[in-house]
Amino acid sequence: QITLKESGPTLVKPTQTLTLTCTFSGFSLSTSEVGVGWVRQPPGKALEWLALIYWNDNKRYSPSLKNRLTITKDTSKNQVVLTMTNMDPVDTATYYCARRLPVAGARYFDYWGQGTLVTVSS
Amino acid sequence: QSALTQPRSVSGSPGQSVTISCTGTSSDIGANNYVSWYQQHPGKAPKLMIYDVTMRPSGVPDRFSGSKSGNTASLTISGLQAEDEADYYCCSFAGAYLLFGGGTRLTVL
Repeated sequence: QITLKESGPTLVKPTQTLTLTCTFSGFSLSTSEVGVGWVRQPPGKALEWLALIYWNDNKRYSPSLKNRLTITKDTSKNQVVLTMTNMDPVDTATYYCARRLPVAGARYFDYWGQGTLVTVSS
Repeated sequence: QSALTQPRSVSGSPGQSVTISCTGTSSDIGANNYVSWYQQHPGKAPKLMIYDVTMRPSGVPDRFSGSKSGNTASLTISGLQAEDEADYYCCSFAGAYLLFGGGTRLTVL
């Protein structure tokens, strides 16, 4: 059974750095073609793709946010960590982590976490 | 990096068919066959419904189908059921990242 779960602060102040952890089970990030990514959704708004890390440590970032994002993995702990610097109220959103289907060339997510709401406010 | 364009809302009666469009550019939808569609019920995580333009994951009813022409992809839901009422998002590979659409609210009348 594949599960993913996001964890981190529910409230951060403007200018602070957000650190979110995705803890998963049922698959390994050491397996070829596996990837884990992050997607966010402001309240009442659309999904926005943020970042993706692959089994081989290749990383991809949203062009509009790449200067603020860092994605890393800890294969031994089955975790992926996303950090976002200089948080602003517009970054208030539900943040999801999701698994990229472990097939060469796959460009979609087959399993998602439940999401975690992060509010940016002073 | 602009979001893909979807209609804000569509509606249909039970048993009818509806089509949701998703318009991009020659740099995303028009450049490859990596278009996917996600269904999202209120307060829930997205669920993959279509991938690679036309493919259905195991467990997704064949009432859901996808297509693409040029820079526009479409999701068609036939035989509408009450449980289909949800938000639908298209997603396309754009060279080095993924781009989502603005989302479409499907209402089953």
